Amino acid sequence: AQKITQTQPGMFVQEKEAVTLDCTYDTSDPSYGLFWYKQPSSGEMIFLIYQGSYDQQNATEGRYSLNFQKARKSANLVISASQLGDSAMYFCAMREVKTGANNLFFGTGTRLTVIP
Amino acid sequence: ETGVTQTPRHLVMGMTNKKSLKCEQHLGHNAMYWYKQSAKKPLELMFVYNFKEQTENNSVPSRFSPECPNSSHLFLHLHTLQPEDSALYLCASSQDQPSTDTQYFGPGTRLTVL
Repeated sequence: AQKITQTQPGMFVQEKEAVTLDCTYDTSDPSYGLFWYKQPSSGEMIFLIYQGSYDQQNATEGRYSLNFQKARKSANLVISASQLGDSAMYFCAMREVKTGANNLFFGTGTRLTVIP
Repeated sequence: ETGVTQTPRHLVMGMTNKKSLKCEQHLGHNAMYWYKQSAKKPLELMFVYNFKEQTENNSVPSRFSPECPNSSHLFLHLHTLQPEDSALYLCASSQDQPSTDTQYFGPGTRLTVL
């Protein structure tokens, strides 16, 4: 079974608007971490935000916030006030503590296009 | 130099060639990783090194041979590759503290095998 599911292959958003990128995950490990990465066309994976399974509050980093709904096993990324430079692929990833810190499972990604 | 660097950024090679990819991290991390990113597939973890010791090999064919001489440098030696090995190869590093482990990636090497 897929550990990470991103159901939106592509998304469009108007500049200055907010956008939500969906991510659901599958694990039986009570302790895990969730990550979002941005990959521009240049190829580099840029770390955006992290949410631990025991964190009480949703993670926020500047214009990025993670809408963590543990019971639904979802970890959606919200980007506020979209900018043209936000156009990129976005990947959700999960690390399960039981498999060790080294194993990071990635989804297939969502391509975000910001329209001027 | 800051973060994680990779060279070369682009590589075209024939199936009989031997080449090497290089990764260097300037973050003082202890763990380094090689990933393969093929079109329309999730990133695939290939190898993990922790304190210079290989801790994972995800059933990678022997035509890919990793080398980690120290915690800052990681190589991927390539020989007799196949066209299906064409992909973006990403290197990453992490501190390797399980509770806060975040992997930081390099810009990748885009490999084309003819």
